[in-house]
Amino acid sequence: GQQVQQSPASLVLQEGENAELQCNFSSTATQLQWFYQSPGGSLVSLLSNPSGTKHTGRLTSTTVTKERRSSLHISSSQTTDSGTYLCAIRRQGGRALIFGTGTTVSVSP
Amino acid sequence: EAAVTQSPRNKVAVTGGKVTLSCNQTNNHNNMYWYRQDTGHGLRLIHYSYGAGSTEKGDIPDGYKASRPSQENFSLILELATPSQTSVYFCASGERGRWEQYFGPGTRLTVL
Repeated sequence: GQQVQQSPASLVLQEGENAELQCNFSSTATQLQWFYQSPGGSLVSLLSNPSGTKHTGRLTSTTVTKERRSSLHISSSQTTDSGTYLCAIRRQGGRALIFGTGTTVSVSP
Repeated sequence: EAAVTQSPRNKVAVTGGKVTLSCNQTNNHNNMYWYRQDTGHGLRLIHYSYGAGSTEKGDIPDGYKASRPSQENFSLILELATPSQTSVYFCASGERGRWEQYFGPGTRLTVL
């Protein structure tokens, strides 16, 4: 089965609303990264957060390692936040990142 | 800033033809990776490399070969392209021992 599961699959927001994206993983992760992918674009790393809470701008990630879950909170969403948010982990001894299928966020004005 | 470039950006190939996707990075990173992205599957690792001359199989290597002739360049080769290899391909690089990976802009491959 999918080693990294993200929910919801898609999300529609009005500008200014907050959102919470979830990532659950089935293996012990030594690394967890959140990426942003613009429509038809490449991936940009947002945060690396294998445990605890980290902030950058309007984004907050909280990872509970023992429970194998992470969340990404977007506060005061803007239309430019529209795109796909991907969660990826590196397992202990793993070779590279394992990606979830992403949450597609659409923010309307 | 990390710079990873890919060529071509778009490619249409015929079934049974040979396709070579190229990736170049200018940051002297040891590690390079090839992923493909498909709806419903996310990104999946095809091949990776720890340095010039080395290639390793990823999670879905069947039907693909890789070549790392130098620190800067990493190619993905489809000797006999099939329609199931229609996808978007991403190259990434990263420093050994560091978590961050830098992704290229992607190559959209269509095999008819």
